[in-house]
Amino acid sequence: EAQVTQNPRYLITVTGKKLTVTCSQNMNHEYMSWYRQDPGLGLRQIYYSMNVEVTDKGDVPEGYKVSRKEKRNFPLILESPSPNQTSLYFCASRPLDSGKVDTQYFGPGTRLTVL
Amino acid sequence: AQTVTQSQPEMSVQEAETVTLSCTYDTSESDYYLFWYKQPPSRQMILVIRQEAYKQQNATENRFSVNFQKAAKSFSLKISDSQLGDAAMYFCAYSGGSNYKLTFGKGTLLTVNP
Repeated sequence: EAQVTQNPRYLITVTGKKLTVTCSQNMNHEYMSWYRQDPGLGLRQIYYSMNVEVTDKGDVPEGYKVSRKEKRNFPLILESPSPNQTSLYFCASRPLDSGKVDTQYFGPGTRLTVL
Repeated sequence: AQTVTQSQPEMSVQEAETVTLSCTYDTSESDYYLFWYKQPPSRQMILVIRQEAYKQQNATENRFSVNFQKAAKSFSLKISDSQLGDAAMYFCAYSGGSNYKLTFGKGTLLTVNP
């Protein structure tokens, strides 16, 4: 089954404790992206990657890191989480050679709480 | 920068009736895509309908249709014969430019009354 998976789905942590949220897709997509969702703000892009070893900042990158060492994986790293990073996080992917088709596939989301 | 505005934070509709959710956007691009996503209580992001800006014909998917007014930069979603399962948060989104970013509106919470 074609899908984007995220782990963990729920996480409660404390300020300053490094954490990684994993994202994996099995569709051989070149493009992957992370979004955060906050009440009243919709979803905002954190980072994106056009392919292996190619990453760039989105609209709200502060406090986050990413890496793209393999095509299927795109982990989101919070090296020193703070309470303002409490949010719902989504990973998404899409192919780049899809012509006029432009649909991103979303993972199930990760609910992160930073105390 | 592109922006997407959903002016209705909440809407309600009676089961079996029709409701229209509003969305406006701002862009200087000529080639772009517009989407409506549904987010039920499970939090999963579900694509409802997609519109390519170069197509004049409005997209339809079963009970869901859009009214795309390119000159006015308006992209409303019409849900016909509303069902209880349509209750969710609906997000309007824009994609254009070289980074493939989706720019979302703030969402409209739709309630369906039995």
